[in-house]
Amino acid sequence: GAVVSQHPSRVICKSGTSVKIECRSLDFQATTMFWYRQFPKQSLMLMATSNEGSKATYEQGVEKDKFLINHASLTLSTLTVTSAHPEDSSFYICSARAQTGPSTGYGYTFGSGTRLTVV
Amino acid sequence: RKEVEQDPGPFNVPEGATVAFNCTYSNSASQSFFWYRQDCRKEPKLLMSVYSSGNEDGRFTAQLNRASQYISLLIRDSKLSDSATYLCVVANQAGTALIFGKGTTLSVSS
Repeated sequence: GAVVSQHPSRVICKSGTSVKIECRSLDFQATTMFWYRQFPKQSLMLMATSNEGSKATYEQGVEKDKFLINHASLTLSTLTVTSAHPEDSSFYICSARAQTGPSTGYGYTFGSGTRLTVV
Repeated sequence: RKEVEQDPGPFNVPEGATVAFNCTYSNSASQSFFWYRQDCRKEPKLLMSVYSSGNEDGRFTAQLNRASQYISLLIRDSKLSDSATYLCVVANQAGTALIFGKGTTLSVSS
């Protein structure tokens, strides 16, 4: 089945630094990838939709200059948290939809997530 | 009104019990519906899609009522391994992304 690899799984960084999270589709091409964020005891919240070769579409309230998304190829999207602050500490998960197939559940594959802690 | 609402629980049940989770969604134009399972500090994993006619997968039964904008999940003969958070998920109107409920926590004890 479709596999999405996300790295790193866990990162601790100092306040003010930037952190890059990678999301790769290993055995399929993903024209669209999604970035979610989940705070403790909260639901996954869609942050942005990443489209290969074009600018990402950000959800309302998500700062595009703070959360930089690059989708340079059909198998790789990156999320960079710039000038991270403690309130950015969260669980970040990417998801990719296979290029072909209907929009059903099997079409959405999730990475294993990145737990970011900003100290 | 939140897009996808669920009773957060927790539901604490003994092994072998039958438990039902409910979910409502606000966008009547939504087309696709799913139940995902999320274990602690892990990514969500698809449990099953939900179809208008209702569908069953082993001990799990999902129902959809479009008129009421209501989705349910029934788990029969609960196992210890069923302990997790169950997420009600709806594809957005464009069908391009998933909208998650907060999840319902289930704890099955022996």
